[in-house]
Amino acid sequence: KQEVTQIPAALSVPEGENLVLNCSFTDSAIYNLQWFRQDPGKGLTSLLLIQSSQREQTSGRLNASLDKSSGRSTLYIAASQPGDSATYLCAVYPQGGSEKLVFGKGTKLTVNP
Amino acid sequence: KAGVTQTPRYLIKTRGQQVTLSCSPISGHRSVSWYQQTPGQGLQFLFEYFSETQRNKGNFPGRFSGRQFSNSRSEMNVSTLELGDSALYLCASSFAPREPQHFGDGTRLSIL
Repeated sequence: KQEVTQIPAALSVPEGENLVLNCSFTDSAIYNLQWFRQDPGKGLTSLLLIQSSQREQTSGRLNASLDKSSGRSTLYIAASQPGDSATYLCAVYPQGGSEKLVFGKGTKLTVNP
Repeated sequence: KAGVTQTPRYLIKTRGQQVTLSCSPISGHRSVSWYQQTPGQGLQFLFEYFSETQRNKGNFPGRFSGRQFSNSRSEMNVSTLELGDSALYLCASSFAPREPQHFGDGTRLSIL
């Protein structure tokens, strides 16, 4: 059974800092991995999707990497801003069996001005 | 281009009642998935529909059901509501299974 873990559960940083959010998964047989952002009371906004054959994806100040063999992904946020404050969720789409997105519980990020 | 629309945004019900939630996917998207989000359990998959067929179902009791119409709009129904059903219910759509999912803002269901 695929399980996704995100550590830490919460993170507080000063504005301008570069930071890394971590995601680990137990089964390397995945189609893709997706990073989302969730603001309070809102749905999820897709940030980046990495296919299983890819190693990384970049969008603006965000860079996500994928190491399938070790079951890890990282989301790198450069020059953090207060507007980046949100909960960041990682989800994997497993291969075979019951194909459905499996989510981690998220990292709540606070960027202080 | 309009995003995923969920109605209603907020709902208050009492135990034993039933409820129907609606989701209109992004135009052209044929896959719709439903999730339950609670502080304790996080995001849990309920079911996925593609071309009006249920493709996958999560580990929820039979009180939770859903359907998809020919225009890809989807509804989910919860019967005999329990206090533990209080949650944010999120709908996501994509062109097809395994494609990037786009989420609505959810329906906040509170059971009294």
